[in-house]
Amino acid sequence: DTEVTQTPKHLVMGMTNKKSLKCEQHMGHRAMYWYKQKAKKPPELMFVYSYEKLSINESVPSRFSPECPNSSLLNLHLHALQPEDSALYLCASSQGTLTDTQYFGPGTRLTVL
Amino acid sequence: AQSVTQLGSHVSVSEGALVLLRCNYSSSVPPYLFWYVQYPNQGLQLLLKYTSAATLVKGINGFEAEFKKSETSFHLTKPSAHMSDAAEYFCAVSDRDSGGSNYKLTFGKGTLLTVNP
Repeated sequence: DTEVTQTPKHLVMGMTNKKSLKCEQHMGHRAMYWYKQKAKKPPELMFVYSYEKLSINESVPSRFSPECPNSSLLNLHLHALQPEDSALYLCASSQGTLTDTQYFGPGTRLTVL
Repeated sequence: AQSVTQLGSHVSVSEGALVLLRCNYSSSVPPYLFWYVQYPNQGLQLLLKYTSAATLVKGINGFEAEFKKSETSFHLTKPSAHMSDAAEYFCAVSDRDSGGSNYKLTFGKGTLLTVNP
């Protein structure tokens, strides 16, 4: 099973709301990733977790707060977002080495009003 | 830091024609290169990857790519395009982060492939 699942598929939120995106994998991967993708652009790395610890934060604003409760789950908590944060948010997982494939979930389409 | 450049943001071919999507890399060490495909409103799916085992790499859906060190290229090809190949294609290179202990993918800007009937 090479599936990464993400919920919800779509999310609409106001700028004062608090919401969370969820990601799950059962491949035993040690690394999990959050990406942000704007229309017609490549994915931009936001965070990397390795062995459940935050290992890379690509200078993401604090209104995005990642969490890795266990080796299979990855959350992205959202608070006080801006309309420009509207995008497709992708989760991925891998074994975390240089040659490993990253497996991507289908993404959450986020709209901030 | 390593990087990849995809030449051509949009490629249009006729059904049954050769597909050629270009990717050039910039790296001071042997790179590990990937091609991903993204269909509309979906995540990314690996087509193939180069990890130095063989220079000609075969992937899914009839795609293949050849690693050419002399040209610093890793172009993606398919002999005969199908309507279902219409999608966005991303070339990517695997690299260490600035701290040297974690790995991440750096993507090219992508090439949109359209297939005309």
